[in-house]
Amino acid sequence: DAEITQSPRHKITETGRQVTLACHQTWNHNNMFWYRQDLGHGLRLIHYSYGVHDTNKGEVSDGYSVSRSNTEDLPLTLESAASSQTSVYFCASSFLPGETGELFFGEGSRLTVL
Amino acid sequence: ILNVEQSPQSLHVQEGDSTNFTCSFPSSNFYALHWYRWETAKSPEALFVMTLNGDEKKKGRISATLNTKEGYSYLYIKGSQPEDSATYLCAFKAGGGADGLTFGKGTHLIIQP
Repeated sequence: DAEITQSPRHKITETGRQVTLACHQTWNHNNMFWYRQDLGHGLRLIHYSYGVHDTNKGEVSDGYSVSRSNTEDLPLTLESAASSQTSVYFCASSFLPGETGELFFGEGSRLTVL
Repeated sequence: ILNVEQSPQSLHVQEGDSTNFTCSFPSSNFYALHWYRWETAKSPEALFVMTLNGDEKKKGRISATLNTKEGYSYLYIKGSQPEDSATYLCAFKAGGGADGLTFGKGTHLIIQP
């Protein structure tokens, strides 16, 4: 079955370290998204991509970067982790353009920055 | 930043009762409205994607309506069951190439036996 997987599922790191969260989908979806989820907030968009070599900033992109070198993967990098980036991160993908198609979410990656 | 509001924040409902909750979004520049169900320790799963004013969607005991002119959508659950306990999220997409989906904070529904 096609799926979307995130790794690692849990990570603890120190302030200032570089961290990369992986997201891999086997649906061949063009659209991929990274969200973070924090208490008191809804899911907030970090970065998104509508296809290979396309990346766009979302609402809370500062301190994060993504790259899209193939259809299947959209890794999220925290260049220098900060305690404010402690959160649960969700990757999602969709097929139809313009978010008229449903999003399929990964299981989430819980990141703790000490 | 777009304003997507969901009410109520939380809701306790007796098993067998019907319930509904609201998603409010900007009434201008509408493109799409999504509903997701998010069970504890799982990831959000899509219920509906709605794109036309007056749209009504149904999946089993769950249905949704959409009013783009006044900027709201209702989600209805008929005959609530314990397995309906979850957080229900709505997400709004504006037109004109605007950035991604904006999610509301969700309505946390608890079905009491």
